[in-house]
Amino acid sequence: QQQVKQSPQSLIVQKGGISIINCAYENTAFDYFPWYQQFPGKGPALLIAIRPDVSEKKEGRFTISFNKSAKQFSLHIMDSQPGDSATYFCAASRGGGYQKVTFGTGTKLQVIP
Amino acid sequence: DAGVIQSPRHEVTEMGQEVTLRCKPISGHDYLFWYRQTMMRGLELLIYFNNNVPIDDSGMPEDRFSAKMPNASFSTLKIQPSEPRDSAVYFCASSLGLAGGSYEQYFGPGTRLTVT
Repeated sequence: QQQVKQSPQSLIVQKGGISIINCAYENTAFDYFPWYQQFPGKGPALLIAIRPDVSEKKEGRFTISFNKSAKQFSLHIMDSQPGDSATYFCAASRGGGYQKVTFGTGTKLQVIP
Repeated sequence: DAGVIQSPRHEVTEMGQEVTLRCKPISGHDYLFWYRQTMMRGLELLIYFNNNVPIDDSGMPEDRFSAKMPNASFSTLKIQPSEPRDSAVYFCASSLGLAGGSYEQYFGPGTRLTVT
């Protein structure tokens, strides 16, 4: 019940296209859903996060869509750029001061010119 | 702030040897996390501390692994004895916690461990 399932494992998108990564969870106690971005040789870094009281959050070219009833959330990268090539992790946490974060398995995104 | 600092960045050791990984969290952060990343298992939480106290060590794979946080600015992850299957990238992360209004974790650059 603590798992966060992420797909696809890898993704190739042309420059200017839309990248979409999907995640699903089982634990209804989760109430904080961050996405982390990791470049080769670096540690993950927070990209964007959402709480279940909203269905969408947008920051620049990055948008999280959240479907509470389906227990699914997704990351959309609009106008994908070669500099977006990285591994993306979705994650979930119970919140309420509970700091443990469960990460998805990661999606390796490659944006080709 | 310099961010989370980890040392060494790379470690190559022989099976059976003791390995110690070190972490300096961001000053003022109350939480410290140790993760292991492999291709097969992804990013796994090993243990985390709050105010230097271990809160959840359920991810520590076995008794060969131990972690300490003697003060707010230093933590170690020790593997004794090391085995080839311990080869992975080990990340340390820190966060302000709810008191700081954030769950964001700040990751260090990682230590790439190779056990031969």
